[in-house]
Amino acid sequence: QKEVEQNSGPLSVPEGAIASLNCTYSDRGSQSFFWYRQYSGKSPELIMSIYSNGDKEDGRFTAQLNKASQYVSLLIRDSQPSDSATYLCAVWWEYGNKLVFGAGTILRVKS
Amino acid sequence: SAVISQKPSRDICQRGTSLTIQCQVDSQVTMMFWYRQQPGQSLTLIATANQGSEATYESGFVIDKFPISRPNLTFSTLTVSNMSPEDSSIYLCSVDGGTGPTDTQYFGPGTRLTVL
Repeated sequence: QKEVEQNSGPLSVPEGAIASLNCTYSDRGSQSFFWYRQYSGKSPELIMSIYSNGDKEDGRFTAQLNKASQYVSLLIRDSQPSDSATYLCAVWWEYGNKLVFGAGTILRVKS
Repeated sequence: SAVISQKPSRDICQRGTSLTIQCQVDSQVTMMFWYRQQPGQSLTLIATANQGSEATYESGFVIDKFPISRPNLTFSTLTVSNMSPEDSSIYLCSVDGGTGPTDTQYFGPGTRLTVL
């Protein structure tokens, strides 16, 4: 079984700071990577996808991918209390034709 | 992205009974997935449902316990059979990107199941 590892947290940051969420994966052949946000009691919501090495920016969110190091990260700039949630890293496993999820990192943004 | 609905949104059931959860999407999709999420845990894939073929179950999940139907490209059901308290969980349906990337998944709102 392919693995996706995340620090469970909680990661606490002050409002306005940059939150940095990290994820490593075991399948060197993986090509597709995703970040989901899950508020308590809600279902996961896709916030970013990334396929190429480097950075991908969308508003306050930046996804970073380094396939050589098998590492994906999500940066949230100007963090807001409304960003407090669990962030799930997911990697598409082509051979298994399914997404493999990490355990999630709890983010708390303090005002 | 597709609009996905699930019924029921929550239910409380007695041990030994069965519950069928419905997942409806507003556009045609190739792949539909069923997940379980226990309190404080991440997502566990139960099975993948493709239209016109048998569902593909993950290790630890069997068809007798979790029968799945996929009669068309916009609908699927998951039945939780002969329930025990250990089946209490949130059950989530997800779908692929439709005309978009098939490796992208979007989730329905979930069904919160409590078994007494």
